[in-house]
Amino acid sequence: NAGVMQNPRHLVRRRGQEARLRCSPVKGHSHVYWYRQLPEEGLKFMVYLQKENIIDESGMPKERFSAEFPKEGPSILRIQQVVRGDSAAYFCASSRRQANSYNEQFFGPGTRLTVL
Amino acid sequence: QKEVEQDPGPLSVPEGAIVSLNCTYSNSAFQYFMWYRQYSRKGPELLMYTYSSGNKEDGRFTAQVDKSSKYISLFIRDSQPSDSATYLCAMSGNNDMRFGAGTRLTVKP
Repeated sequence: NAGVMQNPRHLVRRRGQEARLRCSPVKGHSHVYWYRQLPEEGLKFMVYLQKENIIDESGMPKERFSAEFPKEGPSILRIQQVVRGDSAAYFCASSRRQANSYNEQFFGPGTRLTVL
Repeated sequence: QKEVEQDPGPLSVPEGAIVSLNCTYSNSAFQYFMWYRQYSRKGPELLMYTYSSGNKEDGRFTAQVDKSSKYISLFIRDSQPSDSATYLCAMSGNNDMRFGAGTRLTVKP
């Protein structure tokens, strides 16, 4: 069984470019979560999606950031016009059910974004 | 005030020591309490979870939850160098999960 897969593992962008991060959840998982991790700041929740629906995007900046989880294919986190402050590790997690009852979130290895 | 507070450390202990890691929280809706371990350059992996108040033991690891005080702990007995990692507490309630900042632990041989 493949775990959560994220690609690319490392991404370098210049200021103003677009960054596109991909996440393939564990097979059979229909809930996807994106987190951002900065040094010494732990994991910060960004967005929670089910297939074709955004359930909670309260942690995602209103501008330049968007996320989708289409019916087919991976979940995508898109950052437009990147700035240096976007440099961080972005983790995706998936679960079988939503988080209002315990269900384990399985994390991917992360994408480390560096903005030059 | 952050929803979840966790001392980032770093914490350095000798091999064999008992380690105590703690988090406090403010949201009384949290019902599930987790501890994740994250090795350098890796994604977090679930170590233990507890529902509501109480203790849970798994080998050298013990998780405690005190909902009345909004305080959770992870104890590691007979710590090993392989326990060196960042430990993140996490909590979930209604449709969300929130993480602490993580405590970086180093166990020296």
